[in-house]
Amino acid sequence: DADVTQTPRNRITKTGKRIMLECSQTKGHDRMYWYRQDPGLGLRLIYYSFDVKDINKGEISDGYSVSRQAQAKFSLSLESAIPNQTALYFCATGAPRAQFFGPGTRLTVL
Amino acid sequence: AQSVSQHNHHVILSEAASLELGCNYSYGGTVNLFWYVQYPGQHLQLLLKYFSGDPLVKGIKGFEAEFIKSKFSFNLRKPSVQWSDTAEYFCAVLRNSGYALNFGKGTSLLVTP
Repeated sequence: DADVTQTPRNRITKTGKRIMLECSQTKGHDRMYWYRQDPGLGLRLIYYSFDVKDINKGEISDGYSVSRQAQAKFSLSLESAIPNQTALYFCATGAPRAQFFGPGTRLTVL
Repeated sequence: AQSVSQHNHHVILSEAASLELGCNYSYGGTVNLFWYVQYPGQHLQLLLKYFSGDPLVKGIKGFEAEFIKSKFSFNLRKPSVQWSDTAEYFCAVLRNSGYALNFGKGTSLLVTP
C-alpha cells in the first residue's frame, strides 16, 4: 500500500553493525507495528505502538529497539546485527481489524 | 505452542483445480479472523475477514472462507484456481482482547498452467 512506505527496501549488512529500518505512513493512524517474516514461520510481532508515547514489546523483541518519532514515523533498530536477524521486515499501521502493510525491507546480515 | 495452525505448508495445484487451505486456532472466546495473501515480491494484502454474522464470507478474487466455531476453524476456499493465485497465504486471528494479529506460518501455493 503506497500509504505505508519503508526504507530501505533491501539492505545487506555485516554482523555487529547497527542498522535502522524506517517506516512512514500517511494514513493518520495512531497504531503502528513491526513484524518479521521468516520462511515457514509466518509473521511475528517485534514491537507495536499505540501512539507516540505508548510503545510495547511484541513476542520477539530481543535484539531490537524502536523509536516513534512522530505519529507518522516508526523506526526499528538492530543495535548489533546478527545473522539470524536476516529476514523480511514489515511495518503495518492501523487497528488490527483493518491493518495496512508496507512493502517490506529485506535485510541480510552476513 | 502455535496458536494459529495452517495445516498445509506447500500446495501445488493445476489451473482450474479447487482449493481449500486449512486454518485452526486455539483461542477461546470471541475472535476476528483474517486471510491475507502475499504475491511474489509484494506486501500482504487482505483477502477476506470475519467479524460476526454469516459464517461464510466472501473475499476478493473469488475466494471465500467458512468459520466453523465448533471446530475453531476458518478454512479458505476457491472453486477454480488460476495461475495468478500463486502466492503465500496467511491465516490470522485477533482475539477479543488482543492488541495485534496472530499469524499462522503460511501456506505456499503454486498453481501450474
